Amino acid sequence: DSGVTQTPKHLITATGQRVTLRCSPRSGDLSVYWYQQSLDQGLQFLIHYYNGEERAKGNILERFSAQQFPDLHSELNLSSLELGDSALYFCASSVDSRTGDHYGYTFGSGTRLTVV
Amino acid sequence: AQRVTQPEKLLSVFKGAPVELKCNYSYSGSPELFWYVQYSRQRLQLLLRHISRESIKGFTADLNKGETSFHLKKPFAQEEDSAMYYCALSEDREAGTALIFGKGTTLSVSS
Repeated sequence: DSGVTQTPKHLITATGQRVTLRCSPRSGDLSVYWYQQSLDQGLQFLIHYYNGEERAKGNILERFSAQQFPDLHSELNLSSLELGDSALYFCASSVDSRTGDHYGYTFGSGTRLTVV
Repeated sequence: AQRVTQPEKLLSVFKGAPVELKCNYSYSGSPELFWYVQYSRQRLQLLLRHISRESIKGFTADLNKGETSFHLKKPFAQEEDSAMYYCALSEDREAGTALIFGKGTTLSVSS
C-alpha cells in the first residue's frame, strides 16, 4: 500500500455521462497530481493542486475539472464522456506538510474508466 | 517546454544480459529526473531518483547533463524485471512541480 488511495478501482459508464474519481493523498501530503494513462498517449499530466489551490494545468480537457478539499483529498470530475476518455486515471501526492519537503511522488493504484 | 524522450518502445533481452533503457530530456534549467516502473498497468513505483543516487533492484542511472540523458542500466537482467519503465522529469526539485513522463519502454526478459 503506497498510502495514496483511489476510488473506485473500476468504473464502467455510458457516453455522455458524468463521473467523479476520488483520491486521498498520503497522510500529510499537500500536493495532488492527476494523470491520464491511455495506450496511445502514455501518461499525460492533467492538473496539480497544492493545499487546496490549483497550481498547474496540463493537457486537461474543458469537460474535465478537479478540486482539492480542506482535508486534502481531491476529486476529478469527467463530464460528457466520450469513448476516447477510456483510460487509467492515476493520482499522485507529494510535499510533506510537516517538513515542507518535496520528497518525491507517490502514486495510487488508479481508476480504470471504461466508457461504452 | 520540457520533453522526455524514450526512443525504444520495446526492449527484449535474455536473462543475464545487460540492460540499458535510454532516456533523453530537453530542459534548459536543472530538472529532477526519475525512473518509475509499472507492472501489468498497476501502480507506478519509484525506481530511482537522480538526486538520491541509489541503486534499486540492481538498477542504476546517471544524469549526464552534457548529453541531457538519464539512461537506466542493469548489468544482469532477471525475468522479474519485465515491466514498463518510465523516465520522468520535474522542473523544480524544490517546489514539487508535476512530473512529465516519457512514453515508456517495455522491457521483456526471457530465459
